Amino acid sequence: AQSVAQPEDQVNVAEGNPLTVKCTYSVSGNPYLFWYVQYPNRGLQFLLKYITGDNLVKGSYGFEAEFNKSQTSFHLKKPSALVSDSALYFCAVTSRDSSASKIIFGSGTRLSIRP
Amino acid sequence: GAGVSQSPSNKVTEKGKDVELRCDPISGHTALYWYRQSLGQGLEFLIYFQGNSAPDKSGLPSDRFSAERTGGSVSTLTIQRTQQEDSAVYLCASSLGPTGNSNQPQHFGDGTRLSIL
Repeated sequence: AQSVAQPEDQVNVAEGNPLTVKCTYSVSGNPYLFWYVQYPNRGLQFLLKYITGDNLVKGSYGFEAEFNKSQTSFHLKKPSALVSDSALYFCAVTSRDSSASKIIFGSGTRLSIRP
Repeated sequence: GAGVSQSPSNKVTEKGKDVELRCDPISGHTALYWYRQSLGQGLEFLIYFQGNSAPDKSGLPSDRFSAERTGGSVSTLTIQRTQQEDSAVYLCASSLGPTGNSNQPQHFGDGTRLSIL
């Protein structure tokens, strides 16, 4: 069965510092991995995805994520946090190898950037 | 182009009433999903439509919940005899291709905030 774990309910970072939001996954076969961001009173917005190839994926708003197959992880990173990055972040996974695969979302991590 | 549109944006109703929530997906998107999100929490999958295939209803919490998608476009989620625990944000999303074996991201509407008094 597919699953996604976001082990931290909340991450607190000072503005200007690097940030990491963790995600680990379990899927049959090869994964497609996604990160989404949700601002208050809005739907989820797509940030970036891993398909294949380069393990470092770059996305919107200066975010990037690193795919690590051996650790089954897809952590979201940003070199220098902004207060405006404060939001709820979701990791998601689906299988590349099964047309019947569903997309599974993690439980979300609330990122808080203090000035 | 236009994104996913949901209406109403807010709905307040009395316990026991029926409600209908509407979703207009992005034109050309064959896949449509409904999720439920309690305040600031994760997503609960409800139902998934893909093209002309039978919908995946495995996430619907009870027989009071139903959804349809007419003409492969607009979808309506109906909740009958609403209960207070139905209070949540209902999110709709669409994507170009099916969930499985696809790297197409989902595009979300801003949701309907449903409050049951």
